Amino acid sequence: GQNIDQPTEMTATEGAIVQINCTYQTSGFNGLFWYQQHAGEAPTFLSYNVLDGLEEKGRFSSFLSRSKGYSYLLLKELQMKDSASYLCAVSQYRDDKIIFGKGTRLHILP
Amino acid sequence: ETGVTQTPRHLVMGMTNKKSLKCEQHLGHNAMYWYKQSAKKPLELMFVYSLEERVENNSVPSRFSPECPNSSHLFLHLHTLQPEDSALYLCASSQAGGSGNTIYFGEGSWLTVV
Repeated sequence: GQNIDQPTEMTATEGAIVQINCTYQTSGFNGLFWYQQHAGEAPTFLSYNVLDGLEEKGRFSSFLSRSKGYSYLLLKELQMKDSASYLCAVSQYRDDKIIFGKGTRLHILP
Repeated sequence: ETGVTQTPRHLVMGMTNKKSLKCEQHLGHNAMYWYKQSAKKPLELMFVYSLEERVENNSVPSRFSPECPNSSHLFLHLHTLQPEDSALYLCASSQAGGSGNTIYFGEGSWLTVV
């Protein structure tokens, strides 16, 4: 089966940097996604990693280590609008399933 | 506008009612999904349709009945629901197969069962 773990809540200050970790266990790994979800809204795609290493996209970066079953999402120059839940999700080859973790609720303080 | 449209956005229904949620995707994808999101729980995958064939049921109660008439449309038929079924129901689509099958969500249908 699959198991995805990420912290429930985190707090950071506007302008700072925050790292949200995700660990996973799965068979037939076919990539890891990060989604952002604001309260009352649908999740929106942030990043996809299938190879080891860091993918940078503006203020957001995502890192993957397949051997460790570990990923993180790095948010720089935090803004108040970054207050949201961040969902780690894992895709597996055999059945096109994408399974989500419980999400990390990020609070940004002024 | 995400390319995935869900209706209705909000639905209140009694436990004896029959209603349906509708989803339409304009992205040319070949896989569609229903997810359920309850408070303090992860997104739960309910159904997957790939190339219009159901590939995952995930032990969802029979009071939820999906229908996928073509690759662009997906329905979730609801009957004799329970109050604990109140949740946000999210439809999503992707291009199945290969790597990076990113799924794109609709804005969701908020369901309240009274």
